[in-house]
Amino acid sequence: AQKITQTQPGMFVQEKEAVTLDCTYDTSDPSYGLFWYKQPSSGEMIFLIYQGSYDQQNATEGRYSLNFQKARKSANLVISASQLGDSAMYFCAMRPSSTFGRGTSLIVHP
Amino acid sequence: KAGVTQTPRYLIKTRGQQVTLSCSPISGHRSVSWYQQTPGQGLQFLFEYFSETQRNKGNFPGRFSGRQFSNSRSEMNVSTLELGDSALYLCASSLESLSTEAFFGQGTRLTVV
Repeated sequence: AQKITQTQPGMFVQEKEAVTLDCTYDTSDPSYGLFWYKQPSSGEMIFLIYQGSYDQQNATEGRYSLNFQKARKSANLVISASQLGDSAMYFCAMRPSSTFGRGTSLIVHP
Repeated sequence: KAGVTQTPRYLIKTRGQQVTLSCSPISGHRSVSWYQQTPGQGLQFLFEYFSETQRNKGNFPGRFSGRQFSNSRSEMNVSTLELGDSALYLCASSLESLSTEAFFGQGTRLTVV
């Protein structure tokens, strides 16, 4: 069985600063994928970034980067230069089981 | 390019009734996954359909079922509704079954009274 743990229920960050959202996972599958999604108060889930278990380099997408440490089974999301619009719930998820973590609520202060 | 469309957006049903939710994926996408989101349990995977076949299934009772049509549109059915079925039901579409991206619809908010 695959499991995702997000230990930070809530995070606060000052606008323009960087923030790291933690995600640890557990799986016995050698091949898996890790995802991060953003869910604003409107409810829709927005895909942010993907990391494959065999990818040699950490994934980056604009201001989002994934700090993938395979030996530690962690896949932390780093958001650089936070913006007010980044305030939302953030979910870490895993394939092939489609398991999601409980999420982290990020609030960006002006 | 149209996104993932879920209908209806809001639904109120009575205990014991059944409900059908619909999801139209992005054009060309063949995989549709369904999730239930509640404050207590978080996001839980229900099932995934790919080319009209159920590929994966989460740990939900048989009251929850689904199907996918030849045009990739998918429906989810919940029979004998219980109060605990009140949730946001999200649908996600992907090109393939194990795509690196999934695009979600805005969800259907089901309230069981």
